Amino acid sequence: AQSVAQPEDQVNVAEGNPLTVKCTYSVSGNPYLFWYVQYPNRGLQFLLKYITGDNLVKGSYGFEAEFNKSQTSFHLKKPSALVSDSALYFCAVRRGSSNTGKLIFGQGTTLQVKP
Amino acid sequence: NAGVTQTPKFRVLKTGQSMTLLCAQDMNHEYMYWYRQDPGMGLRLIHYSVGEGTTAKGEVPDGYNVSRLKKQNFLLGLESAAPSQTSVYFCASSYTVTNTEAFFGQGTRLTVV
Repeated sequence: AQSVAQPEDQVNVAEGNPLTVKCTYSVSGNPYLFWYVQYPNRGLQFLLKYITGDNLVKGSYGFEAEFNKSQTSFHLKKPSALVSDSALYFCAVRRGSSNTGKLIFGQGTTLQVKP
Repeated sequence: NAGVTQTPKFRVLKTGQSMTLLCAQDMNHEYMYWYRQDPGMGLRLIHYSVGEGTTAKGEVPDGYNVSRLKKQNFLLGLESAAPSQTSVYFCASSYTVTNTEAFFGQGTRLTVV
């Protein structure tokens, strides 16, 4: 069975500091991994994805994520946090061989960036 | 290009009432999904569809029904609402190619009293 774990309910960082939001996954076969962001009272917006190739993927708004197969992790990172990055972040996984496209989500991590 | 549109955005129901949530997408996507979002639990898949006329159960299907009569629309029904169905509901759609991301609607906030 597929599963995603985001071990931190909340991450607090100061503006200008680097940030990391953690994600680990479990899936049979090759994983396709995604990060989404949700601002208050809004839907989920796609940030970035890992499908294959370079383990470091870059996405929207200066975010990047590193795929680590041995640790089954896909942590979200940003070199310099902005107050406007404060939001709820979701990691999701899909089996690469899926014929339904189902995404399994983690429980979400609230990122709070303080001025 | 509207993307994924959910109707209504907010609704309050009394226990035992029924309602239908409508999801419409204009991207010609084959796959469509209904999720519910509850605090601390992330998004959980209720039902999904891999094409017009098809539906399948997700992780938490009890108390819900769905229909996909037209490719662009995916309806979620609650026959007899219960307070446990108070949640935010999200519809999503995607292409059949699994390396593409899913697109989400803005959500429907449902309260059952």
